[in-house]
Amino acid sequence: DAGITQSPRHKVTETGTPVTLRCHQTENHRYMYWYRQDPGHGLRLIHYSYGVKDTDKGEVSDGYSVSRSKTEDFLLTLESATSSQTSVYFCAISDPDRVGNQPQHFGDGTRLSIL
Amino acid sequence: RKEVEQDPGPFNVPEGATVAFNCTYSNSASQSFFWYRQDCRKEPKLLMSVYSSGNEDGRFTAQLNRASQYISLLIRDSKLSDSATYLCVTGHTGGGNKLTFGTGTQLKVEL
Repeated sequence: DAGITQSPRHKVTETGTPVTLRCHQTENHRYMYWYRQDPGHGLRLIHYSYGVKDTDKGEVSDGYSVSRSKTEDFLLTLESATSSQTSVYFCAISDPDRVGNQPQHFGDGTRLSIL
Repeated sequence: RKEVEQDPGPFNVPEGATVAFNCTYSNSASQSFFWYRQDCRKEPKLLMSVYSSGNEDGRFTAQLNRASQYISLLIRDSKLSDSATYLCVTGHTGGGNKLTFGTGTQLKVEL
């Protein structure tokens, strides 16, 4: 299994509080991604990173920010959590330095409930 | 319309049966194709890549029809352990090595 660790694994918090999720990888992959997964929507990309300090938005980026200060760590922050951000969050990594799209490998996920 | 469409199922099949899943994609620029498997409350895991000529991995066969923008997965001799949700995934040019995931087809293999 790819060396990806997400923390925390579970979190319950209140509306309006800030929340930070961490993804740590030991594979030295350049690309890292944050997804959310909700029933009926599948996996949707929030933000991704293509290198240290290099990030870009995905399809559902509103209300989220990210930071990547080291190759191995990618942080997802909900500045002021809302109930609509209750979801399962997955981090993924990939190594695109070969021809064509490469598969992504996922962490175990974080279950976030916002009350 | 979703970019990757799958029948959500569930497909309920007896152990030992052969089952096929289909998937259609709308982005003609899609260049890479994958099947992932996701167990209940777990992360998606890569099952296999899908190549233009079709490919096989044990009991699993994947096929791609670029003209029809259609991908299939065939599972032979189903096992109880094959019960999971199968995600059809496409990748396309545009940077970021981004992938688009279908919402998945649920398979339940029964005794």
